[in-house]
Parts: sequence; C-alpha cells; structure tokens
Amino acid sequence: AQKVTQAQTEISVVEKEDVTLDCVYETRDTTYYLFWYKQPPSGELVFLIRRNSFDEQNEISGRYSWNFQKSTSSFNFTITASQVVDSAVYFCALSDINAGNMLTFGGGTRLMVKP
Amino acid sequence: NAGVTQTPKFQVLKTGQSMTLQCAQDMNHEYMSWYRQDPGMGLRLIHYSVGAGITDQGEVPNGYNVSRSTTEDFPLRLLSAAPSQTSVYFCASGWDRAQPQHFGDGTRLSIL
Repeated sequence: AQKVTQAQTEISVVEKEDVTLDCVYETRDTTYYLFWYKQPPSGELVFLIRRNSFDEQNEISGRYSWNFQKSTSSFNFTITASQVVDSAVYFCALSDINAGNMLTFGGGTRLMVKP
Repeated sequence: NAGVTQTPKFQVLKTGQSMTLQCAQDMNHEYMSWYRQDPGMGLRLIHYSVGAGITDQGEVPNGYNVSRSTTEDFPLRLLSAAPSQTSVYFCASGWDRAQPQHFGDGTRLSIL
C-alpha cells in the first residue's frame, strides 16, 4: 500500500539557519506524483511543488529547494536561510493509482523558526 | 475567482445529530475530494470523486456519505455524528492526479 513518512514531527531552528525536511514514500505504482504543501498558522493549505516519478531533477525556487531520489524513495525539502515567516506545518504527499489517484499525506513536520 | 469554498467554517454538533458540509468549486475541476485532519496524522482521505455521478471511498469513509450531482458541488454528510468525527475537514479539487489539488479553507467540526 502507499505510504508517506515524515519522521521529523517538529523542528526548531533559529532564523537564517538552513533546514531540511525529510520525506520518504512507498508505492507500487511506476507512475506517481509527489507534492509538498505548507500549512501556516492560519490553517490553509498552500501548494509548493509537484514532482512526477520520471523527473529526478532537483528544483530550486528562491530559498526553497527539493531533492528527489527514486533510489531511496525520498523527496526532501530544504529551506535556505530560514525566516520567521517559514514557520508552518509542511506536508509531503503522494498521488498514485492505489489511492484512486488522490493524495496520501505524511503526518507533517512542524517547523518553528525563532528570531 | 473563488476557488474552493467550504461552508460552514465552524460547527458544533451533539452526538447523533446529522449535518452536511458544503464544498463548491468554480474551476470546472473533475476531481474533488474530502480529507480530515487530526493532530499528528496528517490529512486522510474520506471520499473522492473523479467526475459528476462518480464517487468512491478513501481511507476513512465510515460514518460519511457523499454525492456528486454536479461538477461544482461535492457535499459531505455526517449521518449520525460521533465524538470521533471531531476534526478539521478539507475539501479539495483538481484537474487530475498529476495536478496540484486546490484546497478550501477547512471546516472545524466539534462533536460533543
């Protein structure tokens, strides 16, 4: 069955530190999609990035970067020079045919960035 | 452009009461789904639909019903509310599995 594991339930850093959020997934599907969402304290879910299983290129968007490695079934998220506004819960999610192509979420990582 | 609209935002029910959580989207998305969010468990899929007239169960469907009579609307019904259904409920819509799902702002439901 499909599964997403975010082993870090809570991370606390000081502003300007770099931080990596880990995501490990399991799926039997050969075609699947991985996502990261951010949930700020206000509660809404904000889409950050999508990756398909055939594209292992790493991606950088400003201070955010993502490292997708099929060999280790991981899709890690790094925030460089963290800011207080990065404080949120971050979810990794998997879309594959085993869940009707809907999203299977990890448990989330709560990131606290202190000034 | 409203996106995904959920109503109500907050609701308190007594055990045994029924209610319907509303979800509407104006993006003409085929895929719609309901998730519940509980502390430490991420979001779990309740029910989903890949088009009008088509629904299916997700990971935690017990105690909930859905229907999809139009592309725009996907209501979630609690037939007899139980305290275990206290949660935050999110509705989402999307074009297909490859595209990001757009989420509503959530409904915080408490059952006493």
